[in-house]
Amino acid sequence: DTGVSQDPRHKITKRGQNVTFRCDPISEHNRLYWYRQTLGQGPEFLTYFQNEAQLEKSRLLSDRFSAERPKGSFSTLEIQRTEQGDSAMYLCASSSPLSGDEQYFGPGTRLTVT
Amino acid sequence: AQTVTQSQPEMSVQEAETVTLSCTYDTSESDYYLFWYKQPPSRQMILVIRQEAYKQQNATENRFSVNFQKAAKSFSLKISDSQLGDAAMYFCAYRQTQGGSEKLVFGKGTKLTVNP
Repeated sequence: DTGVSQDPRHKITKRGQNVTFRCDPISEHNRLYWYRQTLGQGPEFLTYFQNEAQLEKSRLLSDRFSAERPKGSFSTLEIQRTEQGDSAMYLCASSSPLSGDEQYFGPGTRLTVT
Repeated sequence: AQTVTQSQPEMSVQEAETVTLSCTYDTSESDYYLFWYKQPPSRQMILVIRQEAYKQQNATENRFSVNFQKAAKSFSLKISDSQLGDAAMYFCAYRQTQGGSEKLVFGKGTKLTVNP
């Protein structure tokens, strides 16, 4: 297993631009999660997929945020019209009921909005 | 809504000594999971230990053990024989078992420093 991977690892963008992040879960993990972590805080849940279905969304996920998992494998998180408050680490995790549903985290994508 | 509180923003311990990190939580559920995650500097978060609320026995993983007090809603992590590699942010997290929500609810974390 290669673990959860995320791309890019760092992204600097100007306010108002759109950004997209990718997450590749551990193979055969059917559950995928997105979290956001700001400096000095614990991760906050954004959204969760089981296979290709988005089953839960946080109120933190404003209409500028959209997440997809079109084939039940990798997922993308897009932020439109970025704001400085979007600067954070975006973490992806995956799990499977077959492995105790423990969430395995990726290294994260650090977004800086200037 | 469930909440997780870590009241110690920072802790330090001497190498080979024992340290306890505190965590309290609030929930109206009777069955749930509790976790401790470790996040080393610039590295990804890894699971340290997990406790199911219905189990009375405290979980242990090598040098890591928990003190789970369900009535008090307390879930502390004890690290024995601390090593330099234990230095990291430690996050306490909660997940419910019923109702379909799979999300983890995290505390704000405790930064652990290990002094040689």
